[in-house]
Amino acid sequence: GNSVTQMEGPVTLSEEAFLTINCTYTATGYPSLFWYVQYPGEGLQLLLKATKADDKGSNKGFEATYRKETTSFHLEKGSVQVSDSAVYFCALSVVDMRFGAGTRLTVKP
Amino acid sequence: GAGVSQSPSNKVTEKGKDVELRCDPISGHTALYWYRQSLGQGLEFLIYFQGNSAPDKSGLPSDRFSAERTGGSVSTLTIQRTQQEDSAVYLCASSRRHAGTSGAPTDTQYFGPGTRLTVL
Repeated sequence: GNSVTQMEGPVTLSEEAFLTINCTYTATGYPSLFWYVQYPGEGLQLLLKATKADDKGSNKGFEATYRKETTSFHLEKGSVQVSDSAVYFCALSVVDMRFGAGTRLTVKP
Repeated sequence: GAGVSQSPSNKVTEKGKDVELRCDPISGHTALYWYRQSLGQGLEFLIYFQGNSAPDKSGLPSDRFSAERTGGSVSTLTIQRTQQEDSAVYLCASSRRHAGTSGAPTDTQYFGPGTRLTVL
């Protein structure tokens, strides 16, 4: 079946550090891939998405590239800020949406 | 409305009681989704609607859970004879459309703030 596996947290980084949160998927068909973010006390919101192989989604300094050969969609940011502290969810969609377990990121000043 | 709304925002109930959770999707969105987020867990897909029909009910955890959608808009998730393990945040999301069997990508889902259910 369709599923997403993402890096377990929690992840703690210092401000301006480089961030990678790994995400790999298993899917039949042609999935779209997403990263959603949940800031403290807020609801889930879309961070970025990619709808076909080799597409790169980007937003707020975050990037993720849809890699069909490695079935991956790793989230990266070159320099994190305290305000990036949140839980990040990788997700895929073919017929329905499947989410990973979430990775909690804490950025310390 | 401008976004997905859910009510109530918090619900505390006693074990064995029935509860109803409501979701108002974004106007014009034909697809509607219910998820459950338990403490320390990821998002668990429960059910989705395309219009008023629910082609996929496989995510419902037991027959105590049911959902309906009328008029292609508001949806209600009902949990009968609640148990303590039902305690969670129940999230609703909507999107313009849902992927068909052709594999067309599903549009972005927009989430509501959730209903926090506590079963004592």
